[in-house]
Amino acid sequence: AQSVTQLDSQVPVFEEAPVELRCNYSSSVSVYLFWYVQYPNQGLQLLLKYLSGSTLVKGINGFEAEFNKSQTSFHLRKPSVHISDTAEYFCAVRATDSWGKLQFGAGTQVVVTP
Amino acid sequence: AAGVIQSPRHLIKEKRETATLKCYPIPRHDTVYWYQQGPGQDPQFLISFYEKMQSDKGSIPDRFSAQQFSDYHSELNMSSLELGDSALYFCASSSDLGGTDSYEQYFGPGTRLTVT
Repeated sequence: AQSVTQLDSQVPVFEEAPVELRCNYSSSVSVYLFWYVQYPNQGLQLLLKYLSGSTLVKGINGFEAEFNKSQTSFHLRKPSVHISDTAEYFCAVRATDSWGKLQFGAGTQVVVTP
Repeated sequence: AAGVIQSPRHLIKEKRETATLKCYPIPRHDTVYWYQQGPGQDPQFLISFYEKMQSDKGSIPDRFSAQQFSDYHSELNMSSLELGDSALYFCASSSDLGGTDSYEQYFGPGTRLTVT
């Protein structure tokens, strides 16, 4: 079984400032890692994913994440946020030997203010 | 590009009634997943289908059933509805046949079910 912990439930940030969203996971098997964003009253959109290879993954909208196997972490970063980045962000894992179900973290609400 | 389609987008039912949610995956996607997202909560996996066969099962109540049809669309049937079933229900689809979008789940906009 897998579990995902998002260490911050809410992150306030000023426009054009950097942001980091923390995600730690635990699993007895190898996993794939994902970050999704959910805007109000909308579905989930994939920001980026880690399957294998380079531990630094770049995604859409200027986001990137770094996989750290020893610390079982997959933190998401953006060097300069916009107002439009205000949304809920979910970290998720999937066991590599599974049929694909995602285990989500509790989510981090990012609020960007001018 | 085609996306996952869910219908209806909003549904209001009374307790003990039945509801049917429909999901149309992206063309050529062979796997469909259902998730339930309660208010202020993260999505919880319910059930998945691969090539019209149930492939995995999560925390889906016995009152719920689902299937995937020959055209790959899927339906989630919910009976004896309870107030606690009020949630956003997402369908997602994927194709693990290789390529840059392997292992990605594409989510639909969701069906918001309100049970009164």
